[in-house]
Amino acid sequence: QSVLTQPPSVSAAPGQKVTISCSGSSSNIGNNDVSWYQQLPETAPKLLIYENNKRPSGIPDRFSGSKSGTSATLGITGLQTGDEADYYCGTWDSSLSAVVFGGGTKLTVL
Amino acid sequence: EVQLVESGGGLVKPGGSLRLSCAASGFTFSSYSMNWVRQAPGKGLEWVSSISSTGYYADSVKGRFTISRDNAKNSLYLQMNSLRAEDTAVYFCARGRGAALTAYYFDYWGQGTLVTVSS
Repeated sequence: QSVLTQPPSVSAAPGQKVTISCSGSSSNIGNNDVSWYQQLPETAPKLLIYENNKRPSGIPDRFSGSKSGTSATLGITGLQTGDEADYYCGTWDSSLSAVVFGGGTKLTVL
Repeated sequence: EVQLVESGGGLVKPGGSLRLSCAASGFTFSSYSMNWVRQAPGKGLEWVSSISSTGYYADSVKGRFTISRDNAKNSLYLQMNSLRAEDTAVYFCARGRGAALTAYYFDYWGQGTLVTVSS
Protein backbone atom coordinates (compact mmCIF):
# COMPACT_ATOMS: atom_id res chain seq x y z
CA GLN A 1 0.00 0.00 0.00
CA SER A 2 1.35 3.41 -1.02
CA VAL A 3 1.53 6.25 1.50
CA LEU A 4 -0.08 8.58 -1.05
CA THR A 5 -3.39 7.53 -2.61
CA GLN A 6 -4.13 7.96 -6.31
CA PRO A 7 -6.96 6.54 -8.42
CA PRO A 8 -5.69 3.52 -10.39
CA SER A 9 -7.03 4.84 -13.66
CA VAL A 10 -8.72 7.78 -15.35
CA SER A 11 -9.91 8.27 -18.90
CA ALA A 12 -11.20 11.01 -21.16
CA ALA A 13 -11.62 11.81 -24.82
CA PRO A 14 -9.06 13.70 -26.92
CA GLY A 15 -9.34 17.44 -26.38
CA GLN A 16 -11.04 17.05 -23.02
CA LYS A 17 -9.71 17.78 -19.52
CA VAL A 18 -8.83 15.31 -16.80
CA THR A 19 -7.74 15.63 -13.17
CA ILE A 20 -5.75 13.15 -11.11
CA SER A 21 -5.93 13.33 -7.34
CA CYS A 22 -3.27 12.51 -4.77
CA SER A 23 -4.28 12.19 -1.13
CA GLY A 24 -1.95 12.11 1.84
CA SER A 25 -1.64 13.35 5.40
CA SER A 26 -0.17 16.13 7.51
CA SER A 27 3.20 14.36 7.61
CA ASN A 28 3.58 14.49 3.84
CA ILE A 29 1.39 16.56 1.51
CA GLY A 30 0.00 18.69 4.35
CA ASN A 31 3.39 20.21 5.13
CA ASN A 32 5.60 19.49 2.13
CA ASP A 33 5.62 20.32 -1.56
CA VAL A 34 4.29 17.88 -4.16
CA SER A 35 5.82 16.89 -7.49
CA TRP A 36 4.26 15.00 -10.38
CA TYR A 37 5.89 12.64 -12.88
CA GLN A 38 4.79 11.23 -16.23
CA GLN A 39 5.96 7.77 -17.26
CA LEU A 40 5.27 6.85 -20.87
CA PRO A 41 5.25 3.11 -21.64
CA GLU A 42 8.69 1.52 -21.32
CA THR A 43 10.42 4.80 -20.49
CA ALA A 44 11.85 6.55 -17.44
CA PRO A 45 9.69 8.94 -15.40
CA LYS A 46 9.76 12.60 -16.40
CA LEU A 47 9.19 15.59 -14.12
CA LEU A 48 5.95 17.43 -14.93
CA ILE A 49 5.27 19.61 -11.87
CA TYR A 50 7.39 20.59 -8.87
CA GLU A 51 6.71 22.63 -5.73
CA ASN A 52 2.97 21.95 -6.15
CA ASN A 53 2.33 24.05 -9.23
CA LYS A 54 5.54 24.92 -11.08
CA ARG A 55 6.34 23.56 -14.52
CA PRO A 56 9.91 22.83 -15.67
CA SER A 57 11.06 24.37 -18.89
CA GLY A 58 9.58 22.53 -21.85
CA ILE A 59 6.45 21.27 -20.11
CA PRO A 60 3.38 22.75 -21.85
CA ASP A 61 0.86 24.79 -19.87
CA ARG A 62 -1.73 22.10 -20.57
CA PHE A 63 -0.30 20.52 -17.41
CA SER A 64 -1.06 22.17 -14.07
CA GLY A 65 -0.76 21.33 -10.40
CA SER A 66 -2.48 22.46 -7.24
CA LYS A 67 -2.51 21.60 -3.56
CA SER A 68 -5.06 22.10 -0.81
CA GLY A 69 -4.59 20.75 2.70
CA THR A 70 -3.50 17.13 2.49
CA SER A 71 -4.43 16.62 -1.17
CA ALA A 72 -2.90 17.56 -4.49
CA THR A 73 -4.28 17.52 -8.01
CA LEU A 74 -2.73 17.24 -11.47
CA GLY A 75 -4.77 18.72 -14.29
CA ILE A 76 -4.30 18.04 -17.98
CA THR A 77 -6.26 20.00 -20.60
CA GLY A 78 -6.51 19.50 -24.35
CA LEU A 79 -5.83 15.78 -24.00
CA GLN A 80 -3.76 14.11 -26.72
CA THR A 81 -3.18 10.43 -27.41
CA GLY A 82 0.47 11.05 -26.58
CA ASP A 83 -0.57 11.85 -23.00
CA GLU A 84 -1.42 8.20 -22.39
CA ALA A 85 0.92 7.28 -19.57
CA ASP A 86 1.21 6.51 -15.88
CA TYR A 87 1.27 9.55 -13.60
CA TYR A 88 2.80 9.61 -10.12
CA CYS A 89 2.70 12.14 -7.30
CA GLY A 90 5.56 12.36 -4.83
CA THR A 91 6.64 14.27 -1.75
CA TRP A 92 8.77 14.08 1.41
CA ASP A 93 7.23 12.40 4.43
CA SER A 94 8.52 14.02 7.61
CA SER A 95 7.43 11.13 9.86
CA LEU A 96 9.02 8.42 7.71
CA SER A 97 12.04 10.56 6.77
CA ALA A 98 11.58 9.27 3.26
CA VAL A 99 10.39 10.32 -0.18
CA VAL A 100 7.01 8.76 -0.84
CA PHE A 101 5.08 8.24 -4.06
CA GLY A 102 1.50 7.54 -4.94
CA GLY A 103 0.66 4.19 -6.48
CA GLY A 104 0.29 5.76 -9.92
CA THR A 105 -2.64 6.55 -12.18
CA LYS A 106 -2.97 5.17 -15.68
CA LEU A 107 -4.40 7.74 -18.08
CA THR A 108 -6.27 6.46 -21.10
CA VAL A 109 -7.20 8.88 -23.87
CA LEU A 110 -10.17 7.24 -25.53
CA GLU B 1 22.54 18.23 -21.73
CA VAL B 2 22.06 16.34 -18.49
CA GLN B 3 22.62 12.61 -18.88
CA LEU B 4 22.40 9.82 -16.34
CA VAL B 5 23.41 6.33 -17.42
CA GLU B 6 22.96 3.37 -15.10
CA SER B 7 24.84 0.09 -15.31
CA GLY B 8 25.55 -3.00 -13.24
CA GLY B 9 22.17 -4.70 -13.22
CA GLY B 10 21.73 -8.39 -13.83
CA LEU B 11 20.61 -11.72 -12.41
CA VAL B 12 21.70 -12.57 -8.87
CA LYS B 13 20.74 -15.29 -6.43
CA PRO B 14 18.93 -14.53 -3.17
CA GLY B 15 21.44 -13.51 -0.53
CA GLY B 16 23.86 -12.29 -3.18
CA SER B 17 25.33 -8.86 -3.86
CA LEU B 18 25.39 -6.42 -6.74
CA ARG B 19 26.82 -2.94 -7.27
CA LEU B 20 24.99 -0.46 -9.46
CA SER B 21 26.65 2.56 -11.04
CA CYS B 22 25.29 5.79 -12.49
CA ALA B 23 27.50 7.92 -14.75
CA ALA B 24 26.47 11.57 -14.78
CA SER B 25 27.31 14.26 -17.32
CA GLY B 26 26.14 17.68 -18.43
CA PHE B 27 26.07 19.30 -14.98
CA THR B 28 28.26 19.96 -11.94
CA PHE B 29 27.73 16.59 -10.25
CA SER B 30 29.16 17.57 -6.87
CA SER B 31 26.58 20.36 -6.48
CA TYR B 32 23.53 18.09 -6.46
CA SER B 33 22.04 15.41 -4.29
CA MET B 34 21.55 12.11 -6.11
CA ASN B 35 19.06 9.31 -5.69
CA TRP B 36 18.09 5.75 -6.50
CA VAL B 37 14.43 5.01 -7.22
CA ARG B 38 13.20 1.54 -8.16
CA GLN B 39 10.19 0.07 -9.91
CA ALA B 40 9.23 -3.57 -9.52
CA PRO B 41 7.75 -5.22 -12.64
CA GLY B 42 4.25 -3.84 -13.23
CA LYS B 43 4.38 -1.78 -10.03
CA GLY B 44 4.81 1.86 -9.02
CA LEU B 45 7.82 3.93 -8.07
CA GLU B 46 9.63 3.36 -4.77
CA TRP B 47 12.34 5.69 -3.46
CA VAL B 48 15.38 3.71 -2.31
CA SER B 49 18.11 6.09 -1.23
CA SER B 50 19.48 9.64 -1.45
CA ILE B 51 22.91 11.16 -0.90
CA SER B 52 24.19 14.68 -0.61
CA SER B 53 26.88 14.66 2.05
CA THR B 54 25.15 11.86 3.97
CA GLY B 55 22.89 9.04 2.90
CA TYR B 56 19.20 8.43 3.50
CA TYR B 57 17.54 5.05 3.03
CA ALA B 58 14.09 3.56 2.74
CA ASP B 59 13.30 1.22 5.63
CA SER B 60 13.00 -1.67 3.15
CA VAL B 61 16.72 -1.48 2.28
CA LYS B 62 18.28 0.02 5.42
CA GLY B 63 21.21 -2.07 6.62
CA ARG B 64 21.48 -3.95 3.30
CA PHE B 65 22.10 -1.21 0.72
CA THR B 66 24.80 1.48 0.77
CA ILE B 67 24.74 4.58 -1.41
CA SER B 68 27.96 6.38 -2.27
CA ARG B 69 29.33 8.86 -4.76
CA ASP B 70 32.66 9.77 -6.35
CA ASN B 71 32.51 13.42 -7.33
CA ALA B 72 35.85 13.18 -9.15
CA LYS B 73 34.37 10.52 -11.43
CA ASN B 74 30.88 12.08 -11.64
CA SER B 75 29.49 8.76 -10.50
CA LEU B 76 26.84 7.46 -8.12
CA TYR B 77 26.81 3.94 -6.74
CA LEU B 78 24.47 1.57 -4.93
CA GLN B 79 26.00 -1.44 -3.18
CA MET B 80 23.25 -3.99 -2.66
CA ASN B 81 23.87 -6.88 -0.24
CA SER B 82 21.66 -9.67 1.12
CA LEU B 83 19.42 -9.33 -1.91
CA ARG B 84 15.88 -10.68 -1.77
CA ALA B 85 13.33 -11.61 -4.43
CA GLU B 86 11.38 -8.47 -3.54
CA ASP B 87 14.37 -6.33 -4.57
CA THR B 88 13.73 -7.34 -8.19
CA ALA B 89 13.11 -4.08 -10.04
CA VAL B 90 14.37 -1.55 -12.53
CA TYR B 91 16.65 0.81 -10.62
CA PHE B 92 16.66 4.44 -11.77
CA CYS B 93 19.29 7.04 -10.96
CA ALA B 94 17.73 10.49 -10.47
CA ARG B 95 19.04 13.96 -9.73
CA GLY B 96 17.54 15.63 -6.67
CA ARG B 97 16.45 19.25 -6.39
CA GLY B 98 14.87 21.42 -3.74
CA ALA B 99 16.07 24.00 -1.28
CA ALA B 100 15.07 21.65 1.54
CA LEU B 101 13.68 18.14 1.97
CA THR B 102 10.23 19.67 2.32
CA ALA B 103 10.42 20.74 -1.33
CA TYR B 104 12.38 17.78 -2.74
CA TYR B 105 11.87 16.44 -6.25
CA PHE B 106 13.68 14.60 -9.05
CA ASP B 107 14.33 16.65 -12.17
CA TYR B 108 16.32 14.22 -14.34
CA TRP B 109 16.17 10.44 -14.52
CA GLY B 110 18.30 7.78 -16.18
CA GLN B 111 16.82 4.97 -18.25
CA GLY B 112 17.28 2.41 -15.51
CA THR B 113 19.00 -0.93 -15.04
CA LEU B 114 17.17 -4.17 -14.29
CA VAL B 115 18.04 -6.20 -11.21
CA THR B 116 16.56 -9.69 -10.99
CA VAL B 117 16.92 -11.67 -7.78
CA SER B 118 16.10 -15.31 -8.40
CA SER B 119 17.51 -18.76 -7.81
